[in-house]
Amino acid sequence: QSVLTQPPSVSGAPGQRVTISCTGSSSNFGAVYDVHWYQQFPGTTPKLLIFGNTIRPSGVSDRFSASKSGALASLAITGLQAEDEADYYCQSYDSSLNGVLFGGGTRLTVL
Amino acid sequence: EVQLVESGGALVQPGRSLRVSCAASGFTFDDHAMHWVRQAPGKGLEWVSGLSWNSGSVGYAASVKGRFTISRDNAKNSLYLQMNSLRAEDTAFYYCVKDIASSWAGNWFDSWGQGTLVTVSS
Repeated sequence: QSVLTQPPSVSGAPGQRVTISCTGSSSNFGAVYDVHWYQQFPGTTPKLLIFGNTIRPSGVSDRFSASKSGALASLAITGLQAEDEADYYCQSYDSSLNGVLFGGGTRLTVL
Repeated sequence: EVQLVESGGALVQPGRSLRVSCAASGFTFDDHAMHWVRQAPGKGLEWVSGLSWNSGSVGYAASVKGRFTISRDNAKNSLYLQMNSLRAEDTAFYYCVKDIASSWAGNWFDSWGQGTLVTVSS
């Protein structure tokens, strides 16, 4: 069981805004460390979506944004499109485990 | 262009050993920490192990500690994962992953290989 907690699924209609939460603790991104987000389409490898809590890599649509407050991080997707259907994972480093953690993943469905 | 190409995945019996490899190209390999991340079919991502640029620092997930050993050969631009005492729950795609920094802890991953499938079954 991951100590980064994500909802298993979220959904939204085209054009809507959805958010995906990731809950951590003081031993990971709740204190010193950052949280990062990845997008994975079925049958493909994960792609970096957000790093350093809020930063979009070059080439990532500005419809994707993220925030962090304490031990709660959120990924927001605006103007939802069918092509956004994918799995989304948060990731951080945990000092008490001395290891990298991924959230359990959230499956986004566009209705 | 960064390329990470895994190899060595196979069907193995429980309790046996297997080594998977990753050939890296398109970047300065010894400037970066490297990791193995696995994904069981239909399941989420699980970090397995990370190794600093000079092999001076290493980390393992609790689920593999004592059974798996990560290593690298910077002269060959290669990363390895030696897996001993394999269990059914180790069945997964194993991805070779590039860290953005030289140390393995506290950063993010900017490139992933296509993965190699390890199946542990009798």
